[in-house]
Amino acid sequence: DVQMTQSPSTLSASVGDRVTITCRASQSISSWLAWYQQTPGKAPKLLIYKASSLESGVPSRFSGSGSGTEFSLSISSLQPEDFATYYCQQYDSYSTFGQGTKVEIK
Amino acid sequence: QVQLQESGPGLVKPSETLSLKCSVSGFSISSGYNGAWIRQPPGKGLEWIGSISHSGATYYSPSLNSRVTISVDTSKNQFSLKLSSVTAADTAVYYCATRKGAWLPADYWGQGTLVTVSS
Repeated sequence: DVQMTQSPSTLSASVGDRVTITCRASQSISSWLAWYQQTPGKAPKLLIYKASSLESGVPSRFSGSGSGTEFSLSISSLQPEDFATYYCQQYDSYSTFGQGTKVEIK
Repeated sequence: QVQLQESGPGLVKPSETLSLKCSVSGFSISSGYNGAWIRQPPGKGLEWIGSISHSGATYYSPSLNSRVTISVDTSKNQFSLKLSSVTAADTAVYYCATRKGAWLPADYWGQGTLVTVSS
């Protein structure tokens, strides 16, 4: 099984900050990685697919990078609606999610 | 407008089979939409259960493979999930999701339905 490890588990930040979340795969997954945003009580929302492709309708302050085993999601200037939990998902070999990163208000 | 709606019992007894349906509207599954089921235990992270193509090909999480069956009924525009021999560890919000063309990642999700396993 491909294991996905996100860091940090929790991130405290302020509006306007640039934040970066990382996701590491236990083996190479090429660029078959997605990022989701989830707010309490809601279904996850797709932000990024194929490591760096921005899903239609997602603000350009979100960006993804990486390939192989190391990936990152960056938010260039944190907005109030961005405080949420973020998950990475590999879909190279079956599919696995990371454990999540909660972005909270500092 | 693409919409997905999960339905099924909210309470299932241990050792029984969990059965959920996902009714889709705004598109026809047979036009190339593939489905997926994902679950989330209360307060925990997401777990992929399995995926199905519009033509019925499936692949399941290795950890759940022996207990899971996912099916599609294009005439009813529905995906279905069955999970057998459930335990309390299967208590979760169950989501259905879909994507056109590719298997994953899913870009349209249902709102989710909570299934509790308890006697």
